[in-house]
Amino acid sequence: QVVLTQSPSASASLGASVKLTCTLSSGHSTYAIAWHQQQPEKGPRYLMRLNSGGSHTKGDGIPDRFSGSSSGAERYLTISSLQSEDEADYYCQTWGTGIQVFGGGTKLTVL
Amino acid sequence: EVQMLESGGGLVQPGGSLRLSCAASGFTFSNYGMSWVRRAPGKGLEWVSGVSGSGDNTYYADSVKGRFTISRDNSKNTLYLQMNSLRAEDTAVYYCAKGYGLSGTNTYFDDWGQGTLVTVSS
Repeated sequence: QVVLTQSPSASASLGASVKLTCTLSSGHSTYAIAWHQQQPEKGPRYLMRLNSGGSHTKGDGIPDRFSGSSSGAERYLTISSLQSEDEADYYCQTWGTGIQVFGGGTKLTVL
Repeated sequence: EVQMLESGGGLVQPGGSLRLSCAASGFTFSNYGMSWVRRAPGKGLEWVSGVSGSGDNTYYADSVKGRFTISRDNSKNTLYLQMNSLRAEDTAVYYCAKGYGLSGTNTYFDDWGQGTLVTVSS
């Protein structure tokens, strides 16, 4: 079964950029993923779908500051011009017939 | 605009039961697979269960198999989760999530509800 690995935490300064990583387990490097954001005390929010070639499809209203890219088994979420409201938990997700898998999440702190 | 509103959460004793509902609007409900996802205190997101648009196909995480039942009423645009034999480790905020496109449950989530809190404690 596929496993998604994320670093537990990340931090960056207001106005800077940050790159979050989601790593697919061995044998699953071609899988597409989705990125979701969960701000404190809110429901999750879909950010984008990202395939192995780096092509991504963003959700409605997601700012251009959010972008995705891929390299091998790694899927990235880059947030530029960080704002205070970007402080949140970020999850990657992949899927199959009858199953959904989430990474452990990365807590992003905006300094 | 897609909207999903969960309800039915609350405090229940271990071994008890609870039924969650998710009222959906803003899309043709019967065309989309739906899921329940939970987040326990201090933990990350965990998929719980999914159901196809027709309701014919259901899927469960191992942690809830045999205890939880997912269903839907397409005439009422509502998703349900019947939770029996509840345990302390089922304590979490439960979210309903909509699958993208006409792909049944084999797809990612592109819309989420705000969640309902379930607390299992004596």
